[in-house]
Amino acid sequence: IQMTQSPSSLSASVGDRVTITCRASQSISNYLNWYQQKPGKAPQLLIYAASRLQSGVPSRFSGSGSGTDFTLTINSLQPEDVASYYCQQTYSTPTFTFGPGTKVDL
Amino acid sequence: QVQLVQSGAEVKKPGSSVKVSCKASGDTFRSYGISWVRQASGQGLEWMGGIIPMYGTTYYAQHFRGRVTITADESTSTAYMEVTSLTSDDTAIYYCARVVYSGSYSQFDSWGRGILVTVSS
Repeated sequence: IQMTQSPSSLSASVGDRVTITCRASQSISNYLNWYQQKPGKAPQLLIYAASRLQSGVPSRFSGSGSGTDFTLTINSLQPEDVASYYCQQTYSTPTFTFGPGTKVDL
Repeated sequence: QVQLVQSGAEVKKPGSSVKVSCKASGDTFRSYGISWVRQASGQGLEWMGGIIPMYGTTYYAQHFRGRVTITADESTSTAYMEVTSLTSDDTAIYYCARVVYSGSYSQFDSWGRGILVTVSS
């Protein structure tokens, strides 16, 4: 299963609503996770099962979608949200695939 | 809260092998899986393979099959990954991650800090 993301990078202002799209090469139901990776750090889980917020993740992050098309939304972008964001399909568990990533800058 | 502590940075010659480790603490090692993910400089995340210690089963991305071996020692809650026939393309940060299975869903909920492996003559 191949994953694509768009855009590959974006610039936004503090307070903006940011939307990142992830697309799977075949239907994966809602077997889709999102990760945030800040510069120089390990990735962190943001959302699993397409729309479930991981414990401790701010509520300005949300996920939606099913089948082949998914969206990660950041409501009111904050300076600490500067990072790269990756989707991951888990439909083919125990094997996995990540998307190529989206870099978010201010 | 589980913590994954990875071994230190490595410098290897082309054609050699490297074996890195990932020690889990704070939770029962057998109750989840461990995956390995690598990231070349400025590039994205690449899933390499994983192990479910409870069953001793291993899984590999097609790209790495035959060149990567993942093992686990339950007595020390440590997972290992060996990569053979190294080339400069293997220069990257290697992360281990805990794979939690909830029903039919799975997620990488804890990550190690990463190991920089440099392959250079």
